[in-house]
Parts: sequence; C-alpha cells; structure tokens
Amino acid sequence: QAQLVESGGGVVQPGRSLRLSCAASGFTFSGYAMHWVRQAPGKGLEWVAIISHDGSNKDYADSVKGRFTISRDNSKNTLHMEMKSLRAEDTAMYYCAKDRRDILTGYYDDWGQGTLVTVSS
Amino acid sequence: SSKLTQDPAVSVALGQTVRITCQGDSLRSFFASWYQQKPGQAPVLVISGKNNRPSGIPDRFSGSNSGNTASLTITGAQAEDEAEYYCNSRDSIANLRVVFGGGTKLTVL
Repeated sequence: QAQLVESGGGVVQPGRSLRLSCAASGFTFSGYAMHWVRQAPGKGLEWVAIISHDGSNKDYADSVKGRFTISRDNSKNTLHMEMKSLRAEDTAMYYCAKDRRDILTGYYDDWGQGTLVTVSS
Repeated sequence: SSKLTQDPAVSVALGQTVRITCQGDSLRSFFASWYQQKPGQAPVLVISGKNNRPSGIPDRFSGSNSGNTASLTITGAQAEDEAEYYCNSRDSIANLRVVFGGGTKLTVL
C-alpha cells in the first residue's frame, strides 16, 4: 500500500523560502510521476506542479512558475518542493500526490495527508 | 490554461440519486477523475477514466462522459457521502498540466 508523508510546512514571512518534502513508501517510487496540489483555507484544490518519473519533465501552475521548483531523489524515495519569494496567497495545505503512471495521467490514486504552509508577517 | 466548472452545491435526499457535473473543453480530449474530500481529510479518488472505481469505493458511485461534460452519479446516496467533490483532468492547452474544478459541496438530507 502506497504511503506518502509530507513535511516541511510551517509559518514563514512573505518573501522568504521554504522547502517541502514528501517521503514515499510501499511502491516503486521511481516508476511514477508525482505532483504537488495545494488547498488554501476554505478553498478548492489547485494543481501546483508535476515531475515525471525520472525527473526529466516538469511543469508548474502559472501562479508559482519561476518561484517554486519541484525535484525528486529516486534513491531516497523523496519528492521535494523548493518555494521562494513566498506570498500570502501561497498559504495553503500542500499535498503530494502519486500519478497512476510514469508520465502524466492526472489520476491520483494516492495522496499524502498534507503539510500546512502559512505565509504571514 | 483550461478551466473546469462545477456547481458549488448540490443536495440529495437520503437514498436518492444525485448527479454532480463538471464542464470544460479539456473533457473533449481527456477523461475526468473525481475526488471525495471530507473536512480535515485528504482527497480520495472515487472515479477515474471512463468509469473506473478503485477498490474500496462503493458501487453506488459511477462516472459518465459526454462531449465537454463529465458526471459523477451516486445512486442511493448515504449520509457518509456528504462531502466536497472535485473533478480534474489533464489540461488540453498546456501539455503537462492538470486542472481542477472548483468543487461541489454535496449535502445529504
């Protein structure tokens, strides 16, 4: 059974940086594309970023492009999100989600429980 | 980017059938998937592709597609089905992106 555990969230001032991690277990991590999805308090789900199974392909939502960087370490079964120049509107629960295949399908069979990022002075 | 539109709220009487819809141009090219989210919990996949249910999802949940509309139908809604439901699909404009609908709050009366 796949398990995804996010970490790294917290309270950060506007303009500062934060690094999120997602530890994966129970499946062959290197065989699947991975995503970050976020949810602002009381709001809906927003897709943030994707990385292909081998890290060769990435893309981002326009709202974070140029500020966030997704990466993965297949030797450590870990997904990361480096977030820079954080804004109040980045405040959200951040979920990592496992795609169904090595490339994008958009079908998320497994989700982590999320890590909360609060951007506030 | 593409956009998916859902009704903000829908209600259904206990035991009755309800359909939740999701509209968008990307659905002409890609199937939707549907997620159930209860307060304080992570989303859970309930339907993907043409009409595929993960193991553990009751068979009262089903999906269908027509043109630019995807639908999630709950036949015989139960109290535990009260939740927020989100659709998503691949973005038909940006090759590697995903788009979510705004969500539908289902109330079981």
